[in-house]
Amino acid sequence: DGGITQSPKYLFRKEGQNVTLSCEQNLNHDAMYWYRQDPGQGLRLIYYSQIVNDFQKGDIAEGYSVSREKKESFPLTVTSAQKNPTAFYLCASSLLSRTDTQYFGPGTRLTVL
Amino acid sequence: RKEVEQDPGPFNVPEGATVAFNCTYSNSASQSFFWYRQDCRKEPKLLMSVYSSGNEDGRFTAQLNRASQYISLLIRDSKLSDSATYLCVVGDNTDKLIFGTGTRLQVFP
Repeated sequence: DGGITQSPKYLFRKEGQNVTLSCEQNLNHDAMYWYRQDPGQGLRLIYYSQIVNDFQKGDIAEGYSVSREKKESFPLTVTSAQKNPTAFYLCASSLLSRTDTQYFGPGTRLTVL
Repeated sequence: RKEVEQDPGPFNVPEGATVAFNCTYSNSASQSFFWYRQDCRKEPKLLMSVYSSGNEDGRFTAQLNRASQYISLLIRDSKLSDSATYLCVVGDNTDKLIFGTGTRLQVFP
């Protein structure tokens, strides 16, 4: 059963803490992405990776970091430098390029207390 | 001007109605076009890609008008289960996907 999984589904963080959101896919896709979604706004790209051990900043990368050590995995760390981290975080993957169809994981809802 | 613009709605329609959404995009060199559906507090799911010649999938029809730079989604015979937010997504010539903010559809009995 192929797909994208994200964990945890809900995450609460105290101010000043770093947290890491997990994203795993078994679709054998090369490209993976992280987006955040805020009410009334379209999805905004945080980081993307088109190949293992390589990743690029998206439109709103400040305060976030990623790694791509394995093709299947693309974890996102929300650091204490991110000023407004409360949001819905979505991981996606696509076969090759960024304009290929992207498939999304179920998301992680992060709340900063 | 936003890169991808959609009417936020909500569109409130009775079951069985036909409803259409439009989405305009600003980059005339855009190459790929999609409609996604997003249920409340869930992830977006691909509804359909949009091809130059237009395409249909059951009750759903998508059209692309390159001259006027818009895409449309037509839903016939609306069902209660069609209630969701519909996201217009455009792939531009810099290899980037731009997401619209979505159009909310509410189908009532």
